[in-house]
Amino acid sequence: SYELTQPPSVSVSPGQTARITCSADALPKQYAYWYQQKPGQAPVLVIYKDNERPSGIPERFSGSTSGTTVTLTISGVQAEDEADYYCQSADSSGTYVFGTGTKFTVL
Amino acid sequence: EVQLVESGGGLVQPGGSLKLSCAASGFTFSDSAMHWVRQASGKGLEWVGRIRSKGNNYATAYAASVKGRFTISRDDSKNMAYLQMNSLKTEDTAVYYCTTWGMGFDYWGQGILVTVSS
Repeated sequence: SYELTQPPSVSVSPGQTARITCSADALPKQYAYWYQQKPGQAPVLVIYKDNERPSGIPERFSGSTSGTTVTLTISGVQAEDEADYYCQSADSSGTYVFGTGTKFTVL
Repeated sequence: EVQLVESGGGLVQPGGSLKLSCAASGFTFSDSAMHWVRQASGKGLEWVGRIRSKGNNYATAYAASVKGRFTISRDDSKNMAYLQMNSLKTEDTAVYYCTTWGMGFDYWGQGILVTVSS
């Protein structure tokens, strides 16, 4: 089955730039999506179609792709960005897959 | 305002059944694919399955972990989606979310807890 692998944890200091990667184990890769989830809350879509940002999501959130790896970048990290982040895509059979998740800590 | 509200969760014994409901409002439900996603305590998100719209023949798809045990349905006249869960296992214990697919999973319910335990 299709798998998306993320680092278990990432931490940076306020104002710095954070990068969270998501690696697919096979090609072809479909679009990637990123979700932010804070404790006790439902996930929130922060990036869609690899690098598009929904309305209301701060500009400091951006996405990029290189080969079978996609990256969520948070520029000028703020304390409120501390959360779990999940990438998501789909496999060739049309089933959806979430990444393993990354706990993002603002030091 | 888009709202998704899940109901029907609770405690069920292994091997038992439970049906979750998702009440939708604030968008054109009949045109939308509806998905279910679950999350075990302290664990990551797991896609459970989806049902497409009437225009897409109400096509369903499921994760391998629930295929043959779970069934997703919808009633467009009531703006409701359902998740019928049979032959439940302890590993099905999780918070279950209903969610819509637009740009991505862009609207989510608050989640409902399902506990499978004897």
